[in-house]
Amino acid sequence: QSALSQPPSASGSPGQSVTISCTGTSSDVGDYDFVSWYQQHPGKAPKLIIFEVNKRPSGVPDRFSGSKSGNTASLTVSGLQAEDEAGYYCTSYAGNNIPWVFGGGTKLTVL
Amino acid sequence: EVQLVESGGGLVKPGGSLRLSCAASGFSFSSHSMNWVRQAPGKGLQWVSSISSSRTYIYYADSVKGRFTISRDHAKNSLYLQMNSLRAEDTAVYYCARDAIGVIAPFDYWGQGTLVTVSS
Repeated sequence: QSALSQPPSASGSPGQSVTISCTGTSSDVGDYDFVSWYQQHPGKAPKLIIFEVNKRPSGVPDRFSGSKSGNTASLTVSGLQAEDEAGYYCTSYAGNNIPWVFGGGTKLTVL
Repeated sequence: EVQLVESGGGLVKPGGSLRLSCAASGFSFSSHSMNWVRQAPGKGLQWVSSISSSRTYIYYADSVKGRFTISRDHAKNSLYLQMNSLRAEDTAVYYCARDAIGVIAPFDYWGQGTLVTVSS
């Protein structure tokens, strides 16, 4: 199972919006609405911020939103804040044999 | 409060074995599927293995199949990963992660990880 494709880096100024893409195939992202996004600050454990494409766990600001079109999922961070600077990883359900596949990660820099 | 605490990492020679543990607390451990996810130094996250709440369903990434074994002990509220025939490319921080409730659920809680280094 190949990893999902994410841009290695993204950036934006405080207050701006940035969108991170996550491209898979018709066997994972394109076939299931089970795409999740995780935020990871350096030296810390990942944190779930989006699940089932566009749902936010309790406590996650509504500045974080998710969407999907075909084989590509996207994470949008609106109203960028300094604390949003982190690594972001997408993952998708990929079926019974290899249930989960991750993206390579995107480092978001707040300028 | 949900807590997941990994242990058992360390330095091991290629070909060696190691057993990781994850102690769970603050929730009904027997009701949740559990997972191991790893992260090589400076690299991204990689799913390693999953086990269902009833142990009926067990899955492995191709890269560890036949070498790693996931298990769980409900009496001890613990998750395990037995790692054999270790290779340099297995060097990573290994995270224990809980599935949220649901048939196909995201990883809603993660431990802080334990570092495994495979080197001669």
